[in-house]
Amino acid sequence: QQQVKQSPQSLIVQKGGISIINCAYENTAFDYFPWYQQFPGKGPALLIAIRPDVSEKKEGRFTISFNKSAKQFSLHIMDSQPGDSATYFCAARSGGSNYKLTFGKGTLLTVNP
Amino acid sequence: ETGVTQTPRHLVMGMTNKKSLKCEQHLGHNAMYWYKQSAKKPLELMFVYSLEERVENNSVPSRFSPECPNSSHLFLHLHTLQPEDSALYLCASSQEGHGETQYFGPGTRLLVL
Repeated sequence: QQQVKQSPQSLIVQKGGISIINCAYENTAFDYFPWYQQFPGKGPALLIAIRPDVSEKKEGRFTISFNKSAKQFSLHIMDSQPGDSATYFCAARSGGSNYKLTFGKGTLLTVNP
Repeated sequence: ETGVTQTPRHLVMGMTNKKSLKCEQHLGHNAMYWYKQSAKKPLELMFVYSLEERVENNSVPSRFSPECPNSSHLFLHLHTLQPEDSALYLCASSQEGHGETQYFGPGTRLLVL
């Protein structure tokens, strides 16, 4: 049973465009939602994270939008650059557990110059 | 660099071999993790150690044996693996009780022949 569903599986965007990746979850006990960015040959690195008490968090060109009632959250990359080409993973963590991050399957983003 | 190193970076082994993966974190964290990353699948949590004690074992086959001799080092001992065990094995660390961010190493790419 996949607890965090991520889409699309792959995404191609032109330089300067907006990249949008979506995730949905079922477990209402999740209370922390990070996004990780992974370049080839590297491990995932935390990009940005949000808690369900806010609907949006912005850090530079990266924004998380969170819809608690719909149990959905998304990553928006504004002014996408070729250097943003990577695999992006959404994740979710249950309240009270420091350990269990449940990951989506990942989205391979390609930003064409 | 995230402060988490893994060796070797690449490993090819036969099904009858015994090998070990090593992870070292230089961040002063007190929790360490092993994940398995396969193509088209979410990251799978394998083991969690907190304060050098195993606190999570996600139904991992016994051919994978973790060892945590101290808070900075984590090993994954491998024996009689199967071809389907070929994957990227990622180590991560975090500071329990001080935030949710897990910092990943670059991984060991394992191929079982």
